[in-house]
Amino acid sequence: NAGVMQNPRHLVRRRGQEARLRCSPMKGHSHVYWYRQLPEEGLKFMVYLQKENIIDESGMPKERFSAEFPKEGPSILRIQQVVRGDSAAYFCASSPPSLGVSSGETQYFGPGTRLLVL
Amino acid sequence: GQQLNQSPQSMFIQEGEDVSMNCTSSSIFNTWLWYKQDPGEGPVLLIALYKAGELTSNGRLTAQFGITRKDSFLNISASIPSDVGIYFCAGLLLSGGGADGLTFGKGTHLIIQP
Repeated sequence: NAGVMQNPRHLVRRRGQEARLRCSPMKGHSHVYWYRQLPEEGLKFMVYLQKENIIDESGMPKERFSAEFPKEGPSILRIQQVVRGDSAAYFCASSPPSLGVSSGETQYFGPGTRLLVL
Repeated sequence: GQQLNQSPQSMFIQEGEDVSMNCTSSSIFNTWLWYKQDPGEGPVLLIALYKAGELTSNGRLTAQFGITRKDSFLNISASIPSDVGIYFCAGLLLSGGGADGLTFGKGTHLIIQP
């Protein structure tokens, strides 16, 4: 059973370009989460999605950032008009449908996409 | 917003020693998770705790969910070189709509001296 897949692993963009980060959750998982990690910091929650729905985007900047999880295909985190401050590692996590208190909350992380904005 | 205070920030230990790290919060959580992150990789889940007071082991790792639901600790016994890495605690407070994002501590860097 493959784990959470993310691509690309590394992405270099110039200021003003767009960055698209992709995440395929673990098989059977219907919940996807995106986090951002700056150097020497913990991960910061950005957005939580289920298929075709954004459940919680309280951690995502209001401008330039968007996320989707379509019915078919991977989840996409899109950053428009990137700036140097967007340089970070972006991690996706997935979890299975909540069947009870002890099953739905454990999140499994992908290897991350390291975005560098020049 | 919720914040987690994780300590210590770093630990320099000898191989074979026991390790202890903890997280405290001003808010309660329903779930505590402990992850390990190696350089260039994503966090790997070590232990998940779902009930206040719960004590759970995974090999040489033991973690507890504090009774007040505001703290958790992770112990590693008889450390070995492959234990080197960054350990993160993470808390989750379930909202009415289901599981939301994790709140992470800033990490404990574990360094093992030869």
